[in-house]
Amino acid sequence: GAVVSQHPSWVICKSGTSVKIECRSLDFQATTMFWYRQFPKQSLMLMATSNEGSKATYEQGVEKDKFLINHASLTLSTLTVTSAHPEDSSFYICSADRTVNSPLHFGNGTRLTVT
Amino acid sequence: DQQVKQNSPSLSVQEGRISILNCDYTNSMFDYFLWYKKYPAEGPTFLISISSIKDKNEDGRFTVFLNKSAKHLSLHIVPSQPGDSAVYFCAAAYYTGTASKLTFGTGTRLQVTL
Repeated sequence: GAVVSQHPSWVICKSGTSVKIECRSLDFQATTMFWYRQFPKQSLMLMATSNEGSKATYEQGVEKDKFLINHASLTLSTLTVTSAHPEDSSFYICSADRTVNSPLHFGNGTRLTVT
Repeated sequence: DQQVKQNSPSLSVQEGRISILNCDYTNSMFDYFLWYKKYPAEGPTFLISISSIKDKNEDGRFTVFLNKSAKHLSLHIVPSQPGDSAVYFCAAAYYTGTASKLTFGTGTRLQVTL
């Protein structure tokens, strides 16, 4: 069964509003979670590494003030897309490690559409 | 700079035959490689992995081969089944000190025909 739960699976919002996406590890504690983004027919691109109890580490080119990440507990990380614009429309996926170098477990993703 | 590349965006194979998906990487620091299968609007599902200390890993119908000198890995699926039709991503990782983060290839869409 699923070990990483992501919610919501899809969301439509108006330009200028903010959207929060949740990522939960279901039966294990994840000190580190990852947030990816996938544009149509393209690869999954790592956006940021979410660290429990500390600031997230963002990849080059990702605006940390726009994509707010909070990892307040060992089982929950959230990604908030602030002041969303149509170009933020994408498929966002989170993942979590059970142990170092174990296969990352992915959530089912969130399809965000900004109108 | 695409550090992990899958040069074939699509592949069509007849049911029962072998599917071979290829992946090349440029970063010699990668020490762990994985293959994921992905359906539209879903997260990737782990298939098989290989550590850089090995050159082959097998799990049922899936075998991954790693050629470190060529910085190349491949996934073999034998025999191919219609349910294998999906997009396959290879991914590479190196231990960062806290956890491994993945760099994905661009994906290969596999179509297994009857």
